[in-house]
Amino acid sequence: QSALTQPASVSGSPGQSITISCTGASSDVGSYNVVSWYQQHPGKAPKLMIYEVSKRPSGVSNRFSGSKSGNTASLTISGLQAEDEADYHCSSYAGSSTLVFGGGTKLTVL
Amino acid sequence: QVQLVQSGAEVKRPGASVKVSCKASGYSFTSYSMHWVRQAPGHGLEWMGIINPRGGTTSYAQKIQGRVTMTRDTSTSTVYMELSSLRSEDTAVYYCARDHPSGNYYMDVWGKGTTVTVSS
Repeated sequence: QSALTQPASVSGSPGQSITISCTGASSDVGSYNVVSWYQQHPGKAPKLMIYEVSKRPSGVSNRFSGSKSGNTASLTISGLQAEDEADYHCSSYAGSSTLVFGGGTKLTVL
Repeated sequence: QVQLVQSGAEVKRPGASVKVSCKASGYSFTSYSMHWVRQAPGHGLEWMGIINPRGGTTSYAQKIQGRVTMTRDTSTSTVYMELSSLRSEDTAVYYCARDHPSGNYYMDVWGKGTTVTVSS
């Protein structure tokens, strides 16, 4: 159960788009369409932003979108806003009733 | 409203055990599995395991298998996570999080977290 690989940090200016990658293996991301993304502001609990690769929960802005190709999933945030500055974590089902997270990515809005 | 209320912060000595509780309200307790996730200071999220409150079945992360036990009390809609043989590396915020009813291992409701500090 190795952690998924995410960039430590990404940045963008207001209004721009950014993409955060989440690379796993054929045993997790590559095998299951069960990738989720969570947003976490400092000192707060994570919040579900994307589930099942590309679905958005009710109430999440359509500026957030997800995709997957092979062993890599991606989260794209368009029209960056100051309140998007946070840590983002991906997760994937890894078989045998287990889950694995990525190391997290800090998004800075310049 | 749907809520997960966790127990308060704990300070433990190395080698001791800690038991964290998570009381659910606002939904049918036995219809949703519950995950436990921890986050060490300055680190990412780490999945610890999942419990199905209906039958009590569990699945744990390999890394902590043998040291973790997840249980539930359906009469009080509470799940528990006990971690034994604590080490300094277990210092973290521990979260309970409800699994989506689809059973697809994503967490739609989170508790506020319980800080566990392991220090001599």
